Amino acid sequence: DTGVSQNPRHKITKRGQNVTFRCDPISEHNRLYWYRQTLGQGPEFLTYFQNEAQLEKSRLLSDRFSAERPKGSFSTLEIQRTEQGDSAMYLCASSLDPWYNEQFFGPGTRLTVL
Amino acid sequence: QQQVKQSPQSLIVQKGGISIINCAYENTAFDYFPWYQQFPGKGPALLIAIRPDVSEKKEGRFTISFNKSAKQFSLHIMDSQPGDSATYFCAAGNEETSGSRLTFGEGTQLTVNP
Repeated sequence: DTGVSQNPRHKITKRGQNVTFRCDPISEHNRLYWYRQTLGQGPEFLTYFQNEAQLEKSRLLSDRFSAERPKGSFSTLEIQRTEQGDSAMYLCASSLDPWYNEQFFGPGTRLTVL
Repeated sequence: QQQVKQSPQSLIVQKGGISIINCAYENTAFDYFPWYQQFPGKGPALLIAIRPDVSEKKEGRFTISFNKSAKQFSLHIMDSQPGDSATYFCAAGNEETSGSRLTFGEGTQLTVNP
């Protein structure tokens, strides 16, 4: 296992379209996080899963955003009716219990909304 | 309450010098303080982390100093090398009051000149 993988690495879409990103965490990692990072800023927390349960969602996650983690393995993040303000790097991270163990980040998916 | 303030925004040091990056937090419930290193096109990678039961932690050339009363912590990079040129993020977390999320600083772009 070489780490957290994310697909696609880049996505260009037109405003109003829907997009879906996938994250494959490190095997056996029960915790999975999504963050968003804009240019020149630190990552901002979006949502967190423990196994298949989505336990926390940021207020940044509008109703256009939805995330799933079926069977506690990979996760998907969908953005509906994309807006130009959604343009950012979407990062996935995974970790093992306890909660303060290292969060391993994937390379991210860069979204550009035209 | 959830903010983490990082300074400086950018830092230029000569090879062999000491790089110092500072962070301040507001939420006294934070009890986990990691530093992440990020290279262009990559996700953040954990460099070193500290919990507030100690005032200092050293791993190789990297040291975290932690001042609980001042709500500040800093990263010191000794004998800085050109390969250390990257963006550094401090972060803070606490499972009970903020879930498992990490709150990141704004980042410091470090350049180490040869």
